[in-house]
Amino acid sequence: KQEVTQIPAALSVPEGENLVLNCSFTDSAIYNLQWFRQDPGKGLTSLLLIQSSQREQTSGRLNASLDKSSGRSTLYIAASQPGDSATYLCAVRPGDNFNKFYFGSGTKLNVKP
Amino acid sequence: SQTIHQWPATLVQPVGSPLSLECTVEGTSNPNLYWYRQAAGRGLQLLFYSVGIGQISSEVPQNLSASRPQDRQFILSSKKLLLSDSGFYLCAWSTGGVPYEQYFGPGTRLTVT
Repeated sequence: KQEVTQIPAALSVPEGENLVLNCSFTDSAIYNLQWFRQDPGKGLTSLLLIQSSQREQTSGRLNASLDKSSGRSTLYIAASQPGDSATYLCAVRPGDNFNKFYFGSGTKLNVKP
Repeated sequence: SQTIHQWPATLVQPVGSPLSLECTVEGTSNPNLYWYRQAAGRGLQLLFYSVGIGQISSEVPQNLSASRPQDRQFILSSKKLLLSDSGFYLCAWSTGGVPYEQYFGPGTRLTVT
């Protein structure tokens, strides 16, 4: 069974810093990987989707990379802002069942003004 | 554009009472629909998914059930709630084909007392 791990569980940084969030998965046979943001008490907001054939995706200050063979993805946030404070989750969709998503437990990010 | 609605936003129910949570999607047709539960401090657990009207797949044995009476409507039910059913319930949808990106609703906070 696919297992998804996110380290660290929590991260606190000063405003303006560049940071990297990590996501690792045990089975490299994935179809895609998706990064989400969750604010307290809210649903998940999709940030970036990377297909298994892609190496990275960018949206504004966010850049997500995927190394499928090593079972790793990173989410890079440039010039962090207090508004970036939230929990970030990654999820992988396996290649043999497009109706399943395996989620990590998330990294809780706090960007201090 | 597509929108996903969930109601109610919050719910407090006594043990042994019935449950009905509703999810509707606008702006798309024939979506794949999902119910997840997020317990405090834990990751998302897939409960049910549906690829079409009347087609429900259960991922976790429990006292919950799901139904899809219309193309864009997904309902989560229980005949008798348990304390362990407390949590944050999230509905999501994705296209039935590429890119299989998943989008989430605002969630329902359920507290069983």
